[in-house]
Order: sequence, then C-alpha cells, then structure tokens
Amino acid sequence: GESVGLHLPTLSVQEGDNSIINCAYSNSASDYFIWYKQESGKGPQFIIDIRSNMDKRQGQRVTVLLNKTVKHLSLQIAATQPGDSAVYFCAENEGGSNYKLTFGKGTLLTVNP
Amino acid sequence: DARVTQTPRHKVTEMGQEVTMRCQPILGHNTVFWYRQTMMQGLELLAYFRNRAPLDDSGMPKDRFSAEMPDATLATLKIQPSEPRDSAVYFCASGLGRQDNEQFFGPGTRLTVL
Repeated sequence: GESVGLHLPTLSVQEGDNSIINCAYSNSASDYFIWYKQESGKGPQFIIDIRSNMDKRQGQRVTVLLNKTVKHLSLQIAATQPGDSAVYFCAENEGGSNYKLTFGKGTLLTVNP
Repeated sequence: DARVTQTPRHKVTEMGQEVTMRCQPILGHNTVFWYRQTMMQGLELLAYFRNRAPLDDSGMPKDRFSAEMPDATLATLKIQPSEPRDSAVYFCASGLGRQDNEQFFGPGTRLTVL
C-alpha cells in the first residue's frame, strides 16, 4: 500500500526511569557515530559521539554503546526528564575524506511526568 | 555564542515561484551541508561543500535545485520553479571537516509551496 509517512519507532517512559534507544546501522566501513536530539520546531542538536575504536562512551546522563559485530548502536539516558522528550537520531560516517553523515529514521521519546 | 543561522525561518509561496534560502555557517567551519526533512523521507542530505567547493550534490534534484557558496559566510539553496512536493523543512549544518565530524545544525527554513 501507499506509505502515509514515516512510522517512527516510539518509546514512552516515566520521568525518572532510564531510557534506551536503539539504532542499527548499515555500513560496516563507518567509523564515527553521533546521536542527535531534535525537539519540535528545532534543528537536530548534538548529544554524544563515539568512534569505532571504542565500545562505550559516557556523557552527562547519557551513554552510547557500540557493537560493531552486529552493527548496533544504543543511547542510554539516565533519570529521564520531561525535557528529554524529542526525536533521537543516530548518524554514521565513513570517515576519511567523506564528510557525509547518514541519518537513521529516528525514535520518538515521550517522557510522562 | 556561535551558531548556524538560516533565513527565512518560514516561507509560503506559490507553485512556480523562485525560493532562495540562506545560511550563515559558524565562523571558521569549512564544511556546509543542506538537508531536507519531511515526514515521508526523514532527513535527507541534498548537497554539501568543503572550502566553498561542492563535494556532493547527488541528493539534489538538478533540474530545479541549485546550491552555492558565494563566500565563506554565506550558503544559498535555490529552488526554481518551486513545486508543492518541495514543501519541507530545509536545514543547513556546518562543521570543521575533521575526523570527528560533528555537524552543527541551524534552526531550519519551513517551506510551504501552495
């Protein structure tokens, strides 16, 4: 049938819970990965990044995990707050002289107070 | 604080009209990207520049879209003639073009073509 739009994966959590957002990437040559957060009406905003020579990186309340074997990336948000409600995108880059980021479709996170 | 700026923020126009969107990258950034975001397709790369030279415009419909960087502080995306299917939010992003390839996004231009 005809597509009526992107069916974003959605995740609904209670305030204070931990959130885990998953992303499968396609290019085994990708060596740099970023998570972006996009709030309604705004441009994507950088959250955290990780290079392929690492499997974990921590920021403030956020952790990114990279599993190159299965080409999987996850973003963990600790103690999720209402202000974390947004669409989250993972993006990958091959590195070298290729400066393009390839974005995933996004996950909508809703935090219930 | 340094940020990417885009003008206009909103544009409503009629089919067939020319549309020009402008972007001022962060000072010192040498890579500039144009993206289009729609509900149907998500975030798509249209074109990008490094040191003002176009590196890849394979995502852009060539017959009606054009992207330029007249100078290091200005990038433009032009649609002529515009069509209703061009309605979308257009984002500009800039970066340092290094291995750590974070791109900084502007607030976007919401285009509606009637």
